[in-house]
Amino acid sequence: QKEVEQNSGPLSVPEGAIASLNCTYSDRGSQSFFWYRQYSGKSPELIMFIYSNGDKEDGRFTAQLNKASQYVSLLIRDSQPSDSATYLCAETSGYSTLTFGKGTMLLVSP
Amino acid sequence: NAGVTQTPKFQVLKTGQSMTLQCAQDMNHNSMYWYRQDPGMGLRLIYYSASEGTTDKGEVPNGYNVSRLNKREFSLRLESAAPSQTSVYFCASSDGSSGVETQYFGPGTRLLVL
Repeated sequence: QKEVEQNSGPLSVPEGAIASLNCTYSDRGSQSFFWYRQYSGKSPELIMFIYSNGDKEDGRFTAQLNKASQYVSLLIRDSQPSDSATYLCAETSGYSTLTFGKGTMLLVSP
Repeated sequence: NAGVTQTPKFQVLKTGQSMTLQCAQDMNHNSMYWYRQDPGMGLRLIYYSASEGTTDKGEVPNGYNVSRLNKREFSLRLESAAPSQTSVYFCASSDGSSGVETQYFGPGTRLLVL
């Protein structure tokens, strides 16, 4: 059974700081990794995906992948109160189905 | 372009009643999925359809059936609802055109079974 582990949080950061969200996975065959943001009472929305070792940047968001350590992270620069949400990490082994972590709650205080 | 739509938004059922949750996408995606989300359990895959005419079980299929009606529509049926099926249900569809199969979610259906 594949597992994706995330600290449930909450992770509290002040406005303007860098928020660092982490995720580990159990399947060495995992190929692609996704970060979704989910506001309370809403559906998950895709932030970005990564499949190569290293960093991938998209605006204020940077995803980092280390396949040797089976570790994925999401950095949010210049955090805003509107970034307060639950962040879901997910992986796929190359087929269409995803395995999700339970999510980390992020709270950004003004 | 509405993306993924789901009906109904909310539903209350009594134990033993049946209902069908509807999902449609207008993005011409091949694959569609049904998840349930419970507090502390995360998103769990119920069933998925990799292409029109095919369906497969996910992690938690018991008590559910699905129909891939056409490329756009994928329905989830509860034949005899149980309180354990109280949950938020999300439909998703996916696009592999970027080389990675990325899933996009509908707004969800909140189901309460009494």
